[in-house]
Order: sequence, then C-alpha cells, then structure tokens
Amino acid sequence: AQTVTQSQPEMSVQEAETVTLSCTYDTSESDYYLFWYKQPPSRQMILVIRQEAYKQQNATENRFSVNFQKAAKSFSLKISDSQLGDAAMYFCAYRSDGGSEKLVFGKGTKLTVNP
Amino acid sequence: NAGVMQNPRHLVRRRGQEARLRCSPMKGHSHVYWYRQLPEEGLKFMVYLQKENIIDESGMPKERFSAEFPKEGPSILRIQQVVRGDSAAYFCASSPQQGRTNEKLFFGSGTQLSVL
Repeated sequence: AQTVTQSQPEMSVQEAETVTLSCTYDTSESDYYLFWYKQPPSRQMILVIRQEAYKQQNATENRFSVNFQKAAKSFSLKISDSQLGDAAMYFCAYRSDGGSEKLVFGKGTKLTVNP
Repeated sequence: NAGVMQNPRHLVRRRGQEARLRCSPMKGHSHVYWYRQLPEEGLKFMVYLQKENIIDESGMPKERFSAEFPKEGPSILRIQQVVRGDSAAYFCASSPQQGRTNEKLFFGSGTQLSVL
C-alpha cells in the first residue's frame, strides 16, 4: 500500500519570505499523481498544485511550485512571497493512475505566517 | 453553481445513536467520495460511489458504517450505534467523471461529528 509522510508537523515563515514544505511517499507504481491541498480553518480542502509522475517538469502555480524528485520519492512544496492568507494546514496526497480515484494523504503540516 | 454541500456542518450524538451525514455533489457530478479526518491526522479514504452503485468501499469499517448515493437526492453516510472513536470530520468530494487526475475533484466543507 502507498504511504505519504510529512515530517514537519509545523512550520512558520515571515510574510514575503519563502518556505518549503516536505513530503515523501512510498510506492511501487511508476505512474501516479501527487497533490498539495490547503486546508484553512474553514476546513475547506483547496487544491494548490498537482504533478503527474510521468512529467519531469516541476509544476508551478503562481507563487506555488514543487520540487518533484521521482527517484527519491520526494515532492516538496515551495511557497514564495508568503502571504498571511497562506496560513493553513497543508496536505500532501498521492493517487494511483487508473482504477480507484482515492487519495492517500499525509498527516499535514501546519503553516504559520508571521507579519 | 453551488459547490459540494454537506450538512449538517456540526452533528452531536450520544453513544449508541445513529448519525446521518448528507452530501449533495456539485451539479452535473455523478461520482462521490467520502473521507474521514481524525484529529491531528490527514484525510483517509472511506468509500467511492456512483449513482446507485458502490464502486470502492475498501476504507469503510466493516461494521456500523454504510453509504449510499441514490438516483435522486444526496449521498448519505450512515453510522449506526456511534462510539466516541467515531468523532471526526467527515468530508465528501465529488467529480463529474472518472478521469486521469483529480483536477475536477471538489471537496465540501465537511461535517464535524462529536460523540458524547
């Protein structure tokens, strides 16, 4: 079974600075998808960014980018120019290619943004 | 176009009672997924349903839990004879079809179940 590990329960960053959240995963599959979700206090799960494993290019969405290292099974999220609204829980998630749509989530990292 | 609607937002039950959690998917979505989030944990998959069919229930506890997605009306997650360990946030997500990615997967805001 696949597992997702987020080794940083909590992180903090100064407003306008850059922070990197770590995520590693374990799988024997070659094709899969990786995601970062944001969960603010409202509990709404918001998709931040996704990466297809067959793509070598790292995904980027505005201030959010990933460092995908397939051989190392690492998928970190970099947030540039951090804003107060970025404060939330961040979850890394894995999905197999084909078959069920279910996601496997890590335990999350709580990000605090200091003004 | 309203998002995924879950109700109630908060539900309090005493041990032994039944809990019914409702999820109305986004308009045009025929696939529904239920996840459970225990305190200090990530979301864990429970069940995947299409209209009138359970596709994958590998994450559902074998007893007391059931789910349905009828032809008409919302999807229902039912927990019978609740215990304190059932206290969690239950999330529903919907998608229009089974695609290659979760790009079109939308989550509701969850139902917080508290068992006294």
